[in-house]
Amino acid sequence: AQTVTQSQPEMSVQEAETVTLSCTYDTSESNYYLFWYKQPPSRQMILVIRQEAYKQQNATENRFSVNFQKAAKSFSLKISDSQLGDTAMYFCALFTGNQFYFGTGTSLTVIP
Amino acid sequence: AAGVIQSPRHLIKEKRETATLKCYPIPRHDTVYWYQQGPGQDPQFLISFYEKMQSDKGSIPDRFSAQQFSDYHSELNMSSLELGDSALYFCASSPRRGGSQTQYFGPGTRLLVL
Repeated sequence: AQTVTQSQPEMSVQEAETVTLSCTYDTSESNYYLFWYKQPPSRQMILVIRQEAYKQQNATENRFSVNFQKAAKSFSLKISDSQLGDTAMYFCALFTGNQFYFGTGTSLTVIP
Repeated sequence: AAGVIQSPRHLIKEKRETATLKCYPIPRHDTVYWYQQGPGQDPQFLISFYEKMQSDKGSIPDRFSAQQFSDYHSELNMSSLELGDSALYFCASSPRRGGSQTQYFGPGTRLLVL
């Protein structure tokens, strides 16, 4: 069975600071992908970043980067220079076997 | 760039009524996924279609059915609606062939069952 665990239900960060959201997962599959999605108050699901499991290099998208530790099955998201628009629920997701498995989310608040 | 389109965006139904939700994937995306997200919960996978055939099935109630049509749009049919069906229903599309596996979500349909 596949599981995704986000152990931080809520987090806050000062504007312009850096914050790291944690995610661990479990799968016996060798071929999988990992994602972070952002869901702002509008509830639109927005892709933040993706990582292929076979790639060792950590993915980066502007202010967003991941720390992918395959052996530890850890996939954390780092947000640099936090902005007010980053306030949202963040979901970590695992894709394998043609299905997505979401974590329970971390609610991030950026404080002015 | 074209995005996933869902209609209607909002829907109010009475208990025991039926509802049909529609999803239009991004052009050239061959795979459609349906999710249900209750208040304060993570999205729960319902069902997916690849090339107009059912691909995988998640926690979809027997009262719900879905299909993908020749133009790749998909419809989720919900019958005998219950209060607990009130949720945000997402459709996502993906170009499965090509390997990106990234799902692009539509804006969702907010269903309220009274």
